[in-house]
Amino acid sequence: GAGVSQSPSNKVTEKGKDVELRCDPISGHTALYWYRQSLGQGLEFLIYFQGNSAPDKSGLPSDRFSAERTGGSVSTLTIQRTQQEDSAVYLCASSLAAGTGDTQYFGPGTRLTVL
Amino acid sequence: SQQGEEDPQALSIQEGENATMNCSYKTSINNLQWYRQNSGRGLVHLILIRSNEREKHSGRLRVTLDTSKKSSSLLITASRAADTASYFCATDGNQFYFGTGTSLTVIP
Repeated sequence: GAGVSQSPSNKVTEKGKDVELRCDPISGHTALYWYRQSLGQGLEFLIYFQGNSAPDKSGLPSDRFSAERTGGSVSTLTIQRTQQEDSAVYLCASSLAAGTGDTQYFGPGTRLTVL
Repeated sequence: SQQGEEDPQALSIQEGENATMNCSYKTSINNLQWYRQNSGRGLVHLILIRSNEREKHSGRLRVTLDTSKKSSSLLITASRAADTASYFCATDGNQFYFGTGTSLTVIP
């Protein structure tokens, strides 16, 4: 079946503008994760959703970042009033459940550039 | 803060040689996974090792886990140019904690 998809693949925006990044997880996967990866760095956990439970937002770097997951499927990561330090690749992953040992399947990422 | 830390940060070898990457982590785990990333985009799962396992093989990959030292190693045997990528270890919890990765370059 189809893998995790993300859109757009690239986004260039001006400082201060809001952006929305979209993630379509694998059908049937109840867990969805957002990560951020700056150039040459590891993955920084941002947020994850598990079914209908309240999302774990502990990784969000500031209140400018928010995410939603509608109907337990598609997720949108919103960054308000973007700053240059927000420039990074934003990766989404899904897994069958959020239990230990569940493989995460990653999307190709959205490369965000804030000018 | 990130839990997994890989070393070396970068590794360059000749095709056909073996590549060994190490991962250290801080707290107790149930599982440790290794992922591969090409060109700074999506990661691909390689192998999972559970806390009660010491060694696991998958094709040219061999993973070891030493829970007493809180460390794991990934060995790629008979490396190929196509193995050039970044390799990350990830430990479990409510989320997955990914390390900073080892950048492997295999020279043809």
